[in-house]
Amino acid sequence: GQQLNQSPQSMFIQEGEDVSMNCTSSSIFNTWLWYKQDPGEGPVLLIALYKAGELTSNGRLTAQFGITRKDSFLNISASIPSDVGIYFCAGRSPKNTGTASKLTFGTGTRLQVTL
Amino acid sequence: NAGVTQTPKFQVLKTGQSMTLQCAQDMNHEYMSWYRQDPGMGLRLIHYSVGAGITDQGEVPNGYNVSRSTTEDFPLRLLSAAPSQTSVYFCASSYGSAGRSPLHFGNGTRLTVT
Repeated sequence: GQQLNQSPQSMFIQEGEDVSMNCTSSSIFNTWLWYKQDPGEGPVLLIALYKAGELTSNGRLTAQFGITRKDSFLNISASIPSDVGIYFCAGRSPKNTGTASKLTFGTGTRLQVTL
Repeated sequence: NAGVTQTPKFQVLKTGQSMTLQCAQDMNHEYMSWYRQDPGMGLRLIHYSVGAGITDQGEVPNGYNVSRSTTEDFPLRLLSAAPSQTSVYFCASSYGSAGRSPLHFGNGTRLTVT
């Protein structure tokens, strides 16, 4: 199946620092989504991207749909302790269209914030 | 606002036992799905359903059965549990297709097979 590679796998940062993570695919996607998972809970949608080049913000979070359609980036500015969690990218392939569209998830980036 | 409710939260099974993981949603979502989450593997799709009476296989369906007799419920059955099925299982639903509408996840069922 399709693979989504997320980088980095984990990161330790200090409160107040900016964070960048990315997701790359071997094939093109027409939708990119970013989810966050808090410990003991299910993932929650942060940002959805539907067009190549699209840049979308949600508070301190900004995500971009790469021009090549094979990658996406998530930035978190001025991190705070509650940003701790696992961040997943997810993509929808143009081959998966219609009512049964399926998402492919990345392997996750584990973020830890120190005071 | 219940959203997506999964039961149980934790379960330990012996190899060969069967069990059903329950999932219910109260948002009238047509699309429901089951994922498993393993370290370093992300979330992998097991089975999904686009409406009552319709189910299909995902990426890793072997060893699991599903049915969708109502819009609200989408149980996942393990027929004969194996240690390789030790994982955290998430049920998710959405109004439309998984790619166009946000997936709403339950809080997961942590399953250990000994």
